[in-house]
Amino acid sequence: DVKVTQSSRYLVKRTGEKVFLECVQDMDHENMFWYRQDPGLGLRLIYFSYDVKMKEKGDIPEGYSVSREKKERFSLILESASTNQTSMYLCASRGTGVINEQFFGPGTRLTVL
Amino acid sequence: AQSVAQPEDQVNVAEGNPLTVKCTYSVSGNPYLFWYVQYPNRGLQFLLKYITGDNLVKGSYGFEAEFNKSQTSFHLKKPSALVSDSALYFCAVRDRSLRGGQNFVFGPGTRLSVLP
Repeated sequence: DVKVTQSSRYLVKRTGEKVFLECVQDMDHENMFWYRQDPGLGLRLIYFSYDVKMKEKGDIPEGYSVSREKKERFSLILESASTNQTSMYLCASRGTGVINEQFFGPGTRLTVL
Repeated sequence: AQSVAQPEDQVNVAEGNPLTVKCTYSVSGNPYLFWYVQYPNRGLQFLLKYITGDNLVKGSYGFEAEFNKSQTSFHLKKPSALVSDSALYFCAVRDRSLRGGQNFVFGPGTRLSVLP
């Protein structure tokens, strides 16, 4: 059974803190994604990675960075958390091949106070 | 630019009745189309996809979707709704002519409530 796991389900941080969100997949997928989900806005792509150490900006990369040192792990970093980054963060992975769907983790609900 | 619209924020249906969740899309090339479901406080789960061939696609949990090229639609359907189908549903499109992570776009979501 395929699996994408995220390090925390719920996280509360203070403004200005550095925040790490971790995502691990066990499907040997090349592509990994970070989205944020807000009511009425659907899913918005923050960053994606198509290989180890490779990354591309998505639609809303400002205030975020990512790291992919190993194929199975993709980290999202908030360098200095702000209250407008309070959101649900979803990680996904997908194999190569244009017809493949994405597999999602359970999500991390981040609250920045 | 590619886009996905889900014209209804909320759909209410009585248990046992047929349900439809609407999706329309706009892409520059031929699309791949997907439906996902999200239960409360969970990630998205894949339901079904259209790649090519038969316009009626069958997926998980008794759901199906019909691809209509002329109307650029990909509506999700189920003949008989269950209370357990209550969830948030997302339509997504991938433009075959584009590369990169941004070629996969999600709609805003439709909340389905099935009333007992």
